[in-house]
Amino acid sequence: DAGITQSPRHKVTETGTPVTLRCHQTENHRYMYWYRQDPGHGLRLIHYSYGVKDTDKGEVSDGYSVSRSKTEDFLLTLESATSSQTSVYFCAISAGTGVNSPLHFGNGTRLTVT
Amino acid sequence: AQKITQTQPGMFVQEKEAVTLDCTYDTSDQSYGLFWYKQPSSGEMIFLIYQGSYDEQNATEGRYSLNFQKARKSANLVISASQLGDSAMYFCAMREADNAGNNRKLIWGLGTSLAVNP
Repeated sequence: DAGITQSPRHKVTETGTPVTLRCHQTENHRYMYWYRQDPGHGLRLIHYSYGVKDTDKGEVSDGYSVSRSKTEDFLLTLESATSSQTSVYFCAISAGTGVNSPLHFGNGTRLTVT
Repeated sequence: AQKITQTQPGMFVQEKEAVTLDCTYDTSDQSYGLFWYKQPSSGEMIFLIYQGSYDEQNATEGRYSLNFQKARKSANLVISASQLGDSAMYFCAMREADNAGNNRKLIWGLGTSLAVNP
């Protein structure tokens, strides 16, 4: 199994509070991704990183920011949590972006915003 | 327009039988890769199998095989000898060569829920 650890695994927070989710990898992969998974929407890309301090937006980036200060860590921050950000969040990594490069996923973080 | 279409929201199969999960895709690229993932009820996303657009043979990984029909733009997952542990959501995804480097991301289908009956 790919060495990807997400923390926390579960979190309940209140509307308006900031929340940070952490993804840690031991594979030394260059590319890291944050997805959210919601019923009826499948997996949607929030942000991704292609190196230390190199990040870019995905398709649903509003209300989220990311940081990558080390190869192994990719943080996702919800600036001011809203109920619409209740979701399951997945971190993923890949060694490259070739057409033959799969993503490997962490176990997910279930976030509830009340 | 959907680039990855999984037309079967839910499927049932009897234990020990084979099942095919459909995936059609839309791309104008000549070079692309197709992936299948499994998500059991415990929630993790597990990479199952990969097929490249230039691969002449269908990919196989144990009980999983990919029925790749390039002209029809379909990449169906075949699970042989179904087991109870195969009950899960299955997602099809594609990566195109078109976008350069860092922008080359996976495009996902909405998934098919498979239930294996004893």
